[in-house]
Formats: sequence, structure tokens, C-alpha cells
Amino acid sequence: EAGVTQSPTHLIKTRGQQATLRCSPISGHTSVYWYQQALGLGLQFLLWYDEGEERNRGNFPPRFSGRQFPNYSSELNVNALELEDSALYLCASSYRGVGNEQFFGPGTRLTVL
Amino acid sequence: GENVEQHPSTLSVQEGDSAVIKCTYSDSASNYFPWYKQELGKGPQLIIDIRSNVGEKKDQRIAVTLNKTAKHFSLHITETQPEDSAVYFCAARHNYGQNFVFGPGTRLSVLP
Repeated sequence: EAGVTQSPTHLIKTRGQQATLRCSPISGHTSVYWYQQALGLGLQFLLWYDEGEERNRGNFPPRFSGRQFPNYSSELNVNALELEDSALYLCASSYRGVGNEQFFGPGTRLTVL
Repeated sequence: GENVEQHPSTLSVQEGDSAVIKCTYSDSASNYFPWYKQELGKGPQLIIDIRSNVGEKKDQRIAVTLNKTAKHFSLHITETQPEDSAVYFCAARHNYGQNFVFGPGTRLSVLP
């Protein structure tokens, strides 16, 4: 069974630009979670999508947004990039309901210059 | 909201020794506690989890214990090997409708 996949692996942008990160969940999973992991720090919850809707949002500004498509894949958009947005962005997926362990993808390393 | 603390932040052990990492949580309604291992350049990997109706769970060299009264849970790794070297994260969540809250991580180094 294929795991969670993310693209691109690395992304380099300049301040003020927009970044788009993509995630494909494990087949059958309907929930997708996005996390930011700055260098040397823990995982900060960004967004949670389930069945195409945003279910919860972490303490991040509105320039962090996303969506979930009918096939349950997801996109994270970061507008007006700032230097401190440089981080590893991790996507995780889970089943909806009982026993919904979360499985992570390899992440996208975003560097803002 | 939920807050998860994790100790120690770094841990060095000799190969073959045991390692213990402890986490405390603040929300008594939390009922699911996973542990993740993150190797350099990779995403976190779920290694073991425990639910609030269980006090202990083992999987080969890895075990997790939960004390609901004290609101803390611990990861135990026995007979450590160099490949156990990684950053370990604990997490807590109480309902499906809530997101996971992660601890800050523990960097484990197993010295040969």
C-alpha cells in the first residue's frame, strides 16, 4: 500500500511570492492534516481537511490556506511568503472514525530567500 | 486547549541500554496517545500508540505506559541499537474532532 506522498520535495521561493504544496493521502483516507516544522522545532498544526471541508485551523495567519479535492488530495498555499515561513511542511492522513491513526508523508522543504 | 510537555529534550545512551522518554498532557479528556520517530530528512513514523482504556502496550523492544490519573505517558525502548537514534515525538488528542497536539520532541542518540 502506498504511503502519503508530497510534492515537491524541495521548493525555493523569494519573499513575497506564493508557494503551493501538494499532498496525496493513503488510499481510503479521507482526512488530511498539514503541519509546519521549523528547523529544530516541533510540529505545529496548520490545517485539517476532511471530506473536502476545513475542519480545524491552527494559530497561523490567513495567508496560510488550502483545500481538499474530491479525490481527497490536498493543497497548501502560502501567500506573501516571509523568511520565517522557511520550514519542513508535513502532510498526514487518516481514516475518519475510530482508530484513526495519523500517517505522515516525507514533507516538502520550503526555503524562502 | 491541550498542552503536551516532553522530557528530556536530548538523551544519550549506550548501545544495549534502555531509554525512557516522558510526556505529560493537560487535558484530562485526551484519550489517544501516539509516539512518532523521525529520522533525518524524513517524515515522522508512527511506532506505537496507546488509548486511555489501556495502561500499557508492548511491541517487541518498544513499550508505552499511560497513567491517566497523573496525566502522563512514557515511551520505553529496551536493548537500544544505533538505528534507534532519531527524534521522538509524543502526541495527544481527545476526540476525533480535534487535532493532535505534539510534544517538542526528544533527540535520542545511541552510542556504539
